[in-house]
Amino acid sequence: NAGVMQNPRHLVRRRGQEARLRCSPMKGHSHVYWYRQLPEEGLKFMVYLQKENIIDESGMPKERFSAEFPKEGPSILRIQQVVRGDSAAYFCASSPSVGSGQPQHFGDGTRLSIL
Amino acid sequence: AQSVTQLGSHVSVSEGALVLLRCNYSSSVPPYLFWYVQYPNQGLQLLLKYTTGATLVKGINGFEAEFKKSETSFHLTKPSAHMSDAAEYFCAVTREAAGNKLTFGGGTRVLVKP
Repeated sequence: NAGVMQNPRHLVRRRGQEARLRCSPMKGHSHVYWYRQLPEEGLKFMVYLQKENIIDESGMPKERFSAEFPKEGPSILRIQQVVRGDSAAYFCASSPSVGSGQPQHFGDGTRLSIL
Repeated sequence: AQSVTQLGSHVSVSEGALVLLRCNYSSSVPPYLFWYVQYPNQGLQLLLKYTTGATLVKGINGFEAEFKKSETSFHLTKPSAHMSDAAEYFCAVTREAAGNKLTFGGGTRVLVKP
């Protein structure tokens, strides 16, 4: 049973370009979470999605960032017009359900570097 | 609102010595608590979790943690450190109404000396 798959593992973009980060949850998991880890910091929640729905985007910057989890295919975190401050590791996690302390399973992350 | 504080961003232990990583949380309702470990350039791996029931929780790799409601703590311990325990450890909290989204502490990096 494959784990959470994220790609690419490393992504380099120049300022002003777009970054697309992909996440395929574990089989049977319909809940996806994105977290950002800035250098020397812990992980911060960005967005929580279920299939075709954004449930909670309270941690996502209002501008330039968007996320989707279509009926078919992976979840996508999109960052438009990237800036140096977007350089971070972005982690996706999934769970089969919510409530009762269901643990999240994490991917290996995408490390985004902005030149 | 919920928050997590991990005391000590770096901990150095000798191989074979006790590992103690501190975690204090704040939550207005009963929390669900987790410890994750992160090895370099990898994602987070679940070590253990507390939801309900027994307050002493055993996890993988010989780690355990004790939920102490009166102290709002969930400290992680391992009796005898191994070189392979060198990693970064994150304490996290969520609650029923939070949709399972995790709030993480700042992390504690563990160095194991031979």
